[in-house]
Amino acid sequence: QVQLQESGPGLVKPSETLSLTCGVSGYSISSGYYWGWIRQPPGKGLEWIGSIYHSGSTYYNPSLKSRVTISVDTSKNQFSLKLSSVTAADTAVYYCARPTSPAGTVDAFDIWGQGTMVTVSS
Amino acid sequence: SYVLTQPPSVSVAPGKTARITCGGNNIGSKSVHWYQQKPGQAPVLVIYYDSDRPSGIPERFSGSNSGNTATLTISRVEAGDEADYYCQVWDSSSDPSVVFGGGTKLTVL
Repeated sequence: QVQLQESGPGLVKPSETLSLTCGVSGYSISSGYYWGWIRQPPGKGLEWIGSIYHSGSTYYNPSLKSRVTISVDTSKNQFSLKLSSVTAADTAVYYCARPTSPAGTVDAFDIWGQGTMVTVSS
Repeated sequence: SYVLTQPPSVSVAPGKTARITCGGNNIGSKSVHWYQQKPGQAPVLVIYYDSDRPSGIPERFSGSNSGNTATLTISRVEAGDEADYYCQVWDSSSDPSVVFGGGTKLTVL
């Protein structure tokens, strides 16, 4: 059974960099899939941040691209998110997720982590 | 960038049929996926590729997609179906990206 688990600081100061990791169990990241990050501000909708293939190929949300870096560590079977120059608007629950197709596409996300709340505040 | 438009809310009586729409320019040419999200929980995929159901999702959930509108239909609505529902597509434009609709709150009266 594939499981995803987000981890990282729950509080980040404004202008600093938010860093989260998604640990994957039950499946080898090296075997495929565009692994994704999605966030949800309190009381608001879902926003895709970006996705990464095991090879390192990435897609980013155009509105966040200048501040986002997603990387993969196949040796640790995990992938990570860095979001720089954060503001209060980046306060959200951050989810990692896996799409349904192992091929080189980003389609529906059928496996999600439980999510982790990150608050941006001084 | 591509925009998906959902009604903020839909209300339905138990046992009736709920229809939640997702509008987008020529959305019929794209594959649409739908998620159910209950308070404090991660989203759950209920329909993918317009009309396919993941294992474990009741047959009461169905989807269609044509022209400028995709629709999630929930038949014989139950109290447990009350949740937020989101549509999602992959926009393979010059700057490819995943796009979510704004979400629809389904209220079971």
